[in-house]
Amino acid sequence: QVQLQESGPGLVKPSQTLSLTCTVSGASISSGGYYWSWIRQHPGKGLEWCGYMYNSGSTYYNPSLKSRINISADTPKNQFSLKLSSVTAADTAVYYCARVSYDAFYIWGQGTMVTVSS
Amino acid sequence: QSALTQPASVSGSPGQSITISCTGTSSDVGSYNVVSWYQQHPGKAPKVIIYEGSKRPSGVSNRFSGSKSGNTASLTISGLQAEDEADYYCCSYAGSSTWVFGGGTKLTVL
Repeated sequence: QVQLQESGPGLVKPSQTLSLTCTVSGASISSGGYYWSWIRQHPGKGLEWCGYMYNSGSTYYNPSLKSRINISADTPKNQFSLKLSSVTAADTAVYYCARVSYDAFYIWGQGTMVTVSS
Repeated sequence: QSALTQPASVSGSPGQSITISCTGTSSDVGSYNVVSWYQQHPGKAPKVIIYEGSKRPSGVSNRFSGSKSGNTASLTISGLQAEDEADYYCCSYAGSSTWVFGGGTKLTVL
């Protein structure tokens, strides 16, 4: 059974870098065939695809975040991470990691709330 | 890349059927047969209920069905039940390895 779990600071100061980790169990992020994604949800709002990586290497990002976002893999730890730089209050959201299969975000983590505030 | 357009809310009585629309463009919904739908209960992570436009994951009730016509995808829920009350989101591939979600629809079971 594949499970994903987000972790990271719940509070980040404006202009700093938001860093989150998604720990995957039950599957290897380096085995290929799947995209590993980050999605966020602003409070009381809809979902926003942030980006994803494939085969622990290739990355693809939402154009609206492209200048600030980086997704990378830590293969030995079977984790992938999200870094979002120069954050503002507009980056306050619940951040989810998810695995893409069958062209859908098929398996989700439980989500982690990140607040950007001084 | 703009969000797909969904009605903010829909409602129905138990046993009835409702349909949620998801309107995109010829660059996303209209060009690809990879629309997915997600159900999200308050405080929970979204759960996929339809993928590739009309397919249901194992364990998802056959009361949920998906379809597409042109730039608009639709989710139909038949035989409404109280447990169906949730937020529903559509999602489509938008080309160039990017994805776009809809704004979400709140379903109220009266």
